[in-house]
Amino acid sequence: AQTVTQSQPEMSVQEAETVTLSCTYDTSESDYYLFWYKQPPSRQMILVIRQEAYKQQNATENRFSVNFQKAAKSFSLKISDSQLGDAAMYFCAYVSETSGSRLTFGEGTQLTVNP
Amino acid sequence: KAGVTQTPRYLIKTRGQQVTLSCSPISGHRSVSWYQQTPGQGLQFLFEYFSETQRNKGNFPGRFSGRQFSNSRSEMNVSTLELGDSALYLCASSTQGWNEQFFGPGTRLTVL
Repeated sequence: AQTVTQSQPEMSVQEAETVTLSCTYDTSESDYYLFWYKQPPSRQMILVIRQEAYKQQNATENRFSVNFQKAAKSFSLKISDSQLGDAAMYFCAYVSETSGSRLTFGEGTQLTVNP
Repeated sequence: KAGVTQTPRYLIKTRGQQVTLSCSPISGHRSVSWYQQTPGQGLQFLFEYFSETQRNKGNFPGRFSGRQFSNSRSEMNVSTLELGDSALYLCASSTQGWNEQFFGPGTRLTVL
């Protein structure tokens, strides 16, 4: 079974600084998607960024970028120029065609942004 | 394009009752998945519906059921509620299911 692990329950960053959230996963599949979702206090789960496993290039969305290391099964999220609105719980998630639509989530990392 | 909507947003029930939650996906999305989020268990997959058929199911008791209508709207039903069913129930829609999923705001269910 696929598993997703986020080893950092809590992280903090100063406003305008850069922070990296870690995620590792375990799978025997070669084709899959990885995602980072953000869940602010409103509890709305917001898709931050996605990475398709067959793409070697790391995904980037504005201030958010990933470091995808397929062989190491590592998928970290870098947030540049952190803003107060980035404060939230961040979840790493995995899905593959063989797992159907079943997203497997990590435990989450609570990010605090200090002014 | 309108996002995923869920109704009601908050619900309070007592043990033994049943409850029905509703989810309207993004227009054009045929896959709707349901997740339960609790502090202790995190995010757990309940089931997925695609074109009115349950295509995938998580490890939940039969008290949890669902259905999907021809317009892709989905409902989730929980019968004989237990205290442990108190949770945030999230639904997510996608075009195919096994690609990016977009979540609704959730329904907060409290069982007393």
